[in-house]
Parts: sequence; C-alpha cells; structure tokens
Amino acid sequence: EAGVTQFPSHSVIEKGQTVTLRCDPISGHDNLYWYRRVMGKEIKFLLHFVKESKQDESGMPNNRFLAERTGGTYSTLKVQPAELEDSGVYFCASSQDIAGIPNTQYFGPGTRLTVL
Amino acid sequence: AQKVTQAQTEISVVEKEDVTLDCVYETRDTTYYLFWYKQPPSGELVFLIRRNSFDEQNEISGRYSWNFQKSTSSFNFTITASQVVDSAVYFCALSEAGTGRRALTFGSGTRLQVQP
Repeated sequence: EAGVTQFPSHSVIEKGQTVTLRCDPISGHDNLYWYRRVMGKEIKFLLHFVKESKQDESGMPNNRFLAERTGGTYSTLKVQPAELEDSGVYFCASSQDIAGIPNTQYFGPGTRLTVL
Repeated sequence: AQKVTQAQTEISVVEKEDVTLDCVYETRDTTYYLFWYKQPPSGELVFLIRRNSFDEQNEISGRYSWNFQKSTSSFNFTITASQVVDSAVYFCALSEAGTGRRALTFGSGTRLQVQP
C-alpha cells in the first residue's frame, strides 16, 4: 500500500511569488492534515480536512495560505504571496478513524520550501 | 493548553549503548494519545508507537521500549543496544481526544547520534 506522497520534494521561490504544494493521502483515508516546521522550531499543525471539508483550520498562520481538498482525495496548499518566514518543511499526514476513535497519523516525506 | 517538552536537544552515544529519550507532556484532557515518531536523515516522519491515556502498560518492540507514567506525565523512549541506523531526530507528540480535535502537538525533537 502506497504511503502519503508529497510534491514537490523541494521548492525554491522568490519572495512575492506563489507556490502550490500537493499531498496525496493514503488511499481510503478520510482525514488529511497539514503541518509545517520552520527553521529551529517545533512541527506545528496547520489544518485538518475530513474528506473535502475543513474540520479545523486553527493553525493557519494568515490569509496568504489557502488549502483545498476538492473531491476529498488529494489536497493542495497554496502560499500567495510567499514571504521569507514561510520557509520550512511542510508535512502532510493522513489517518482513518475507526468507530470514531482517532487513529494514527501517517506522514509524508515533506516539501522543503525556501523563500529567497 | 497542551504542551510537549523534550528537554534533550541532542544525545550522542556509542554503538551498543542504551539510551533513553525523555518526553514530558501537559494536558487538561483526561483522554489523550501519545506518539513517538522518528525522522531519519531522509526527512520523512516514521510512526513508532501510539499509546492512549488509559493504557499505562509499558511496551517493548525489539530493541525499543516505552515507559508511560501518568503520575509524572512522562512517556520516555529507550533504545537498547543502539545501532548507527538509530541515528535520527525523534519526536514525541500529543493529541487530545476529548476536545474532538485531531491536531498533534509536537515536542521540539531530540537528535540522536549513534557513533560506530
């Protein structure tokens, strides 16, 4: 079974440009999460989808970040316009609750974003 | 609010030594889950273990063992007879089930270097 995949693995852009990150969850997982780790800090939660609906977006830093999950399969995270402080590693994770009980989140390899 | 503390920033041991990685958590929830993830040099987050707050039994998996103590709010991870392949950053994480949120709160990670 394929794990969580993310594309691209690396992205280098200039300040003010737009970048779109993609995440494909494990097949059949309804829950999809975005996290990020900026340099020297903890891994921080950004948001949580259940199928195509945003369940929790309390971690989104500001309105320059837009996440979508059309059709409840893959998800995209767009940063527009990118700022220097957005540099870091963006992780995606997925999980499937069992009988309503939260289950383990499995992570992708991350996308390393560098904003110059 | 929930918090996870990994006080050890970096640990260096020689192969075959035993090593314990500390994790202390804070939560007001009575139902929660604790996790350990491994981040090898390749960058992905690899799930190691999940433990719920009602199960204080220690767990052993090969050279890995976990000690969960609610009295001290700790969930420590021990590697017995460490190997070079154990070199990685290890993250402890907490999820509060009672709030309905699924977001993981991570510690800052402990970098383990196992020298040959």
